[in-house]
Amino acid sequence: EAQVTQNPRYLITVTGKKLTVTCSQNMNHEYMSWYRQDPGLGLRQIYYSMNVEVTDKGDVPEGYKVSRKEKRNFPLILESPSPNQTSLYFCASSPIRDRTTYEQYFGPGTRLTVT
Amino acid sequence: GDSVTQMEGPVTLSEEAFLTINCTYTATGYPSLFWYVQYPGEGLQLLLKATKADDKGSNKGFEATYRKETTSFHLEKGSVQVSDSAVYFCALRLGAGNMLTFGGGTRLMVKP
Repeated sequence: EAQVTQNPRYLITVTGKKLTVTCSQNMNHEYMSWYRQDPGLGLRQIYYSMNVEVTDKGDVPEGYKVSRKEKRNFPLILESPSPNQTSLYFCASSPIRDRTTYEQYFGPGTRLTVT
Repeated sequence: GDSVTQMEGPVTLSEEAFLTINCTYTATGYPSLFWYVQYPGEGLQLLLKATKADDKGSNKGFEATYRKETTSFHLEKGSVQVSDSAVYFCALRLGAGNMLTFGGGTRLMVKP
C-alpha cells in the first residue's frame, strides 16, 4: 500500500530535550516536506526537500532541522524544543513530474506537546 | 507574498443542505488551486484541483471553479452528508517545486 508513515504519532516532551520525528514514504517520491498545523493558521511549511541531499527552508524553519540521506526518509529534528513548537506536524511527499497536476500525499500526523 | 483566505468556521449544516465554502487567493502569477480535506484524526487528502482559469475540479459531489477575474475557488456541494464532516483547506501552488500555500481551514459539521 502506498503511504507516508510518521513516528511517533503522539509525543509529550520537556523543553530542551532533543527529539526526532521520522517520516518515510514508499512511493519513490522525489519531493518531501514538513508542515505544522496550528488552529486558524492552516498548514505552514517548515522545510522541504526536492531530492536526496537537497533541502531548503519553508516559511517557518526556525528551531527545526532536517536531513535527506535516503530518498524514502525525511526526519524532522528539534534540537532544543520549546513550548511554542507544540503543534500537529505533517509530513508529505509527491513526485516531481508533470508540474501542473501532481498531488501531495500526507502522513497521519504527529501531535507534539512541549511542556 | 502569496496567500489564501478562507471563510472562518465552523460551518454547521443539516444533512442534504447546500454547501459553499469561500476561498480567495492572492498570487503574483497563475497558480494551480487545490482543495484538501482532513477527516478527524487523519492527514490531508486531495479532494479536487484546477490548474488554469475556468477549469472546474470535481470529486465525490464537490465542485470548485477557478475564477481568475475574482481570484476565487469556492467549494460547493449540492447535498451534504454526515460523512462530509471534516476540515477543508484551500491551497495554491505557484511556480517550480511543490510548495503549497494553505488557507486557515474551515471546519464543516453536518448534523443528521
